[in-house]
Amino acid sequence: EVQLVESGGGLVQPGGSLKLSCAASGFTFSDHYMDWVRQAPGKGLEWVGRIRKKANSYTTEYAASVKGRFTISRDDSKNSLYLQMNNLKTEDTAIYYCTRDGYSFDYWGQGTLVTVSS
Amino acid sequence: DIQMTQSPSSLSASVGDRVTITCRASQGISGWLAWYQQKPEKAPKSLIYAASNLQSGVPSRFSGSGSGTDFTLTISSLQPEDFATYYCQQYNNYPFTFGPGTKVDIK
Repeated sequence: EVQLVESGGGLVQPGGSLKLSCAASGFTFSDHYMDWVRQAPGKGLEWVGRIRKKANSYTTEYAASVKGRFTISRDDSKNSLYLQMNNLKTEDTAIYYCTRDGYSFDYWGQGTLVTVSS
Repeated sequence: DIQMTQSPSSLSASVGDRVTITCRASQGISGWLAWYQQKPEKAPKSLIYAASNLQSGVPSRFSGSGSGTDFTLTISSLQPEDFATYYCQQYNNYPFTFGPGTKVDIK
């Protein structure tokens, strides 16, 4: 069974940093691109970024709203995906989901809440 | 960026009704469109990929069609567990973008 479990969310002040993790199981993690998607409270879904697999040099893509502040990485030996978030803004407050990039975003984690507030 | 619109933004329907949701892209995306279902306080669930392909385990009452800029999601006979919000998403161009959602509730 495919499972994606996010962790690392919490309350952080504007300008602060936070690193989210996503533990994957039930599939060959290294074979898949992975993405982060977020959802602000009561709002719709927003794609954050993608990381490709080793065969594609682990290259990344980002939404303009986070480019230069967020970094996606992965550790295939640990079946883990990461999202390093720096210089956080109040508008980054959201539930952050990790998703498997298969046939579209075919599996999603349960999400982790990030609240940016003073 | 490609803008995705959905109509209607919400609808009320009864169990057994046929429901159709429309999604439009601001430019052509070939068939690179997905549909997701989200229930309150839950993560989205993938329903359809590549415009018309059902994800494994998704009931056959769900179907998708379209290409280019215009797409539809149809639920042939609405069931109690289908009351949720539905999102379309294009993955033809970066940044990937989602529609604003269509909330389906009970009439």
